[in-house]
Amino acid sequence: EVQLVEYGGGLVQPGGSLRLSCAASGFTFSAYSMNWVRQAPGKGLEWLSYIRSSGDSIYYADSVRGRFTVSRDNAKNSLYLQMNSLRVEDTAVYYCVREGDSGSYAPHWGQGTLVTVSS
Amino acid sequence: DFVMTQSPDSLAVSLGERATIYCKSSQNVLYSSNNKNYLAWYQQKTGQPPRLLIYWASTRESGVPDRFSGSGSGTDFTLTISSLQAEDAAVYYCQQYYSTSYTFGQGTKLEIK
Repeated sequence: EVQLVEYGGGLVQPGGSLRLSCAASGFTFSAYSMNWVRQAPGKGLEWLSYIRSSGDSIYYADSVRGRFTVSRDNAKNSLYLQMNSLRVEDTAVYYCVREGDSGSYAPHWGQGTLVTVSS
Repeated sequence: DFVMTQSPDSLAVSLGERATIYCKSSQNVLYSSNNKNYLAWYQQKTGQPPRLLIYWASTRESGVPDRFSGSGSGTDFTLTISSLQAEDAAVYYCQQYYSTSYTFGQGTKLEIK
């Protein structure tokens, strides 16, 4: 069974940094591209970042480019999101998402971790 | 950039009736080389992560009841729930994955009348 578990969320002050991690299990992590998606309280879904299975191709949403950095460690079956220069509007639940077997739709989501940016 | 626009923003449908949600993409999501529409639909209930319902615009994910169906091509798509059940009350999102800057619609809240 595919499992994705995010951790590292919490309360941080504006301008601060936080590193999210996603532990993957139940599949060959190195074979799949991964994404981060977030959801602000009461709002819709916002895609943030994509990283190819090998890590050699990375994309970001305009809202986080230059502040967030995605990475992965295929040996540790782990995905990361380094978040710097955090803003109040970055407050959201952050989801780790695995692509499908035949395309970049998203059949597998973690339960999410809440990041709150507040003074 | 792709903009995905869903309509309506919310709707209320009686149990057993049909519910229809629309999604319009600002750009074509049909890839001509494989004739596939890079469009997915998700269901999200309160406090839960989204659940994939439909991908390739009309392929039902494993385990999804057959009352859920997707249709459309190019820029205009529809999610239909043929006979609404109480457990279908949720927010529904469309998403394009044609571009690696994946984009979601704003969501449609479906309530039971």
